[in-house]
Amino acid sequence: DAGVIQSPRHEVTEMGQEVTLRCKPISGHNSLFWYRQTMMRGLELLIYFNNNVPIDDSGMPEDRFSAKMPNASFSTLKIQPSEPRDSAVYFCASTRQGGRIETQYFGPGTRLLVL
Amino acid sequence: SQQGEEDPQALSIQEGENATMNCSYKTSINNLQWYRQNSGRGLVHLILIRSNEREKHSGRLRVTLDTSKKSSSLLITASRAADTASYFCAFYNQGGKLIFGQGTELSVKP
Repeated sequence: DAGVIQSPRHEVTEMGQEVTLRCKPISGHNSLFWYRQTMMRGLELLIYFNNNVPIDDSGMPEDRFSAKMPNASFSTLKIQPSEPRDSAVYFCASTRQGGRIETQYFGPGTRLLVL
Repeated sequence: SQQGEEDPQALSIQEGENATMNCSYKTSINNLQWYRQNSGRGLVHLILIRSNEREKHSGRLRVTLDTSKKSSSLLITASRAADTASYFCAFYNQGGKLIFGQGTELSVKP
């Protein structure tokens, strides 16, 4: 199995630009999670989907952030416009199904730097 | 904060020594998980312990859970340089979100 795939692995952009991060979950997994990791705040859950439907987006910091999951094998996290404080590592994770027993499988992350 | 609290924040030991990391939480849990993160990589699940279990082993890993104290510990025995990584505990909160601790940064020197 290829595991969770994220692209790009690294992104450097200028303030004000649109940034799109992509994720392909493990085949057969029904839940997908987007996290942000920074030194100051640690690992934060931004949003998660069950069966392609957004369940909880309370962690999305601002309206500049949006996420979609058009089908079971693809999700995007978009930041528009980007700001320097958005610089972080963004992880996507998936599980077989939502539930409190599930372990999560993480992708390698996208390291975002906004200048 | 709903985050789990881990200590120590950083731990440096010699190869062959044991490493112990602790995690405390505040909510009721069904299970507690431990993850490892190598530098520049995503998190990798190590072990899950259910709330009705007190101890669990997996290879050189030993996890304990004390629900009365709302705490867990991860012990890595006979550590190796390759164990150098950050270790996170994680648990589901009442709202069903997986909450991660701040992590313990382990350095194993050869």
